[in-house]
Amino acid sequence: GQNIDQPTEMTATEGAIVQINCTYQTSGFNGLFWYQQHAGEAPTFLSYNVLDGLEEKGRFSSFLSRSKGYSYLLLKELQMKDSASYLCAVTDSNYQLIWGAGTKLIIKP
Amino acid sequence: GAVVSQHPSRVICKSGTSVKIECRSLDFQATTMFWYRQFPKKSLMLMATSNEGSKATYEQGVEKDKFLINHASLTLSTLTVTSTHPEDSSFYICSARDGGWDNSPLHFGNGTRLTVT
Repeated sequence: GQNIDQPTEMTATEGAIVQINCTYQTSGFNGLFWYQQHAGEAPTFLSYNVLDGLEEKGRFSSFLSRSKGYSYLLLKELQMKDSASYLCAVTDSNYQLIWGAGTKLIIKP
Repeated sequence: GAVVSQHPSRVICKSGTSVKIECRSLDFQATTMFWYRQFPKKSLMLMATSNEGSKATYEQGVEKDKFLINHASLTLSTLTVTSTHPEDSSFYICSARDGGWDNSPLHFGNGTRLTVT
């Protein structure tokens, strides 16, 4: 079966750095997405990785290792508004999106 | 950037009635739209893929006669939940890609919180 694993919940301090991991087992791979979802709202696109390595976009970076079936989202200089759920999603060989359950990130002052 | 508008944002209805949810792509055309359902603290669950001018493709376990999908134009898809039941209470979200390739990012509507009493 197809599966995406990410931690259920993480806590971090304002101004700090946090890394949210995602591991996947899917039928083929055509890319990995990270989305942010605030409570009661729809997800918003953060990043896309299809090749190994690090993609940096402002305070957020996303890393991919296809051989390990592994990705992480790195958030720097955390702000209170970063409190949200972070969803990892992988596109399989049929371009179907497989979603993780999301990681709830709690930022404390 | 690509904007997807979903309406209504919240709806409360009585069991047995029908509810229609609209999803519009405001600044791009979408031949395909995706309808998701999300339970609290759970992952997004794809219900169906809406195809402009043709029948929707439903995921396994989703009743097509209960969740009616119509995609009459390149900018509008509707989901009608018929004969509602309290178990249908959930967060429904539509999405679309503004790029022509299969792996372009999804843009989501703001979601509809359905409560069936």
